Amino acid sequence: AQSVSQHNHHVILSEAASLELGCNYSYGGTVNLFWYVQYPGQHLQLLLKYFSGDPLVKGIKGFEAEFIKSKFSFNLRKPSVQWSDTAEYFCAWGYGQNFVFGPGTRLSVLP
Amino acid sequence: NAGVTQTPKFRVLKTGQSMTLLCAQDMNHEYMYWYRQDPGMGLRLIHYSVGEGTTAKGEVPDGYNVSRLKKQNFLLGLESAAPSQTSVYFCASSYSTASYEQYFGPGTRLTVT
Repeated sequence: AQSVSQHNHHVILSEAASLELGCNYSYGGTVNLFWYVQYPGQHLQLLLKYFSGDPLVKGIKGFEAEFIKSKFSFNLRKPSVQWSDTAEYFCAWGYGQNFVFGPGTRLSVLP
Repeated sequence: NAGVTQTPKFRVLKTGQSMTLLCAQDMNHEYMYWYRQDPGMGLRLIHYSVGEGTTAKGEVPDGYNVSRLKKQNFLLGLESAAPSQTSVYFCASSYSTASYEQYFGPGTRLTVT
């Protein structure tokens, strides 16, 4: 079965630290890749998406992600996190009519 | 636009009881999805629909049924609830195939005792 893995279960950072969250998907076919964020008590919102073209994708709130085809990876980055970035982050992969979500990475940003 | 709405927001059931969760979207989306979210397991797809009158099984369909009688509504039913179905349920919709962004509802927190 197709799957998405995320490298870290829980990441703790201080404000202004840089962030990188890892994501790998299992199959090298058509790639439609997404990062979603879930703030405490809220529903999932789209941060950014990649379908084709420039492998470096910019999203909302200063987030970006890089697609590396040879590594089946789509890592999320932010140069300087804020306390308000505390949330759970999900990588997702769409193929055909299906969506597969990773298990999520909880980010805690300490003020 | 309300986007994607879900009712109810919270529910407590006893084992063996049945219930229906309602999802409605006002974006004229073709695709609709039901997920469950459990700690450490992310979102798992229960069932999905690619259009009015069609449904398909996802990753974890056992114990659930769905119906899509109207394009804007997607119902998730539990015929005989079990404690293993305690979870947060999210509905989502998208314009077309999985290459399109999904829009999520606020979730329903279900506890089965």
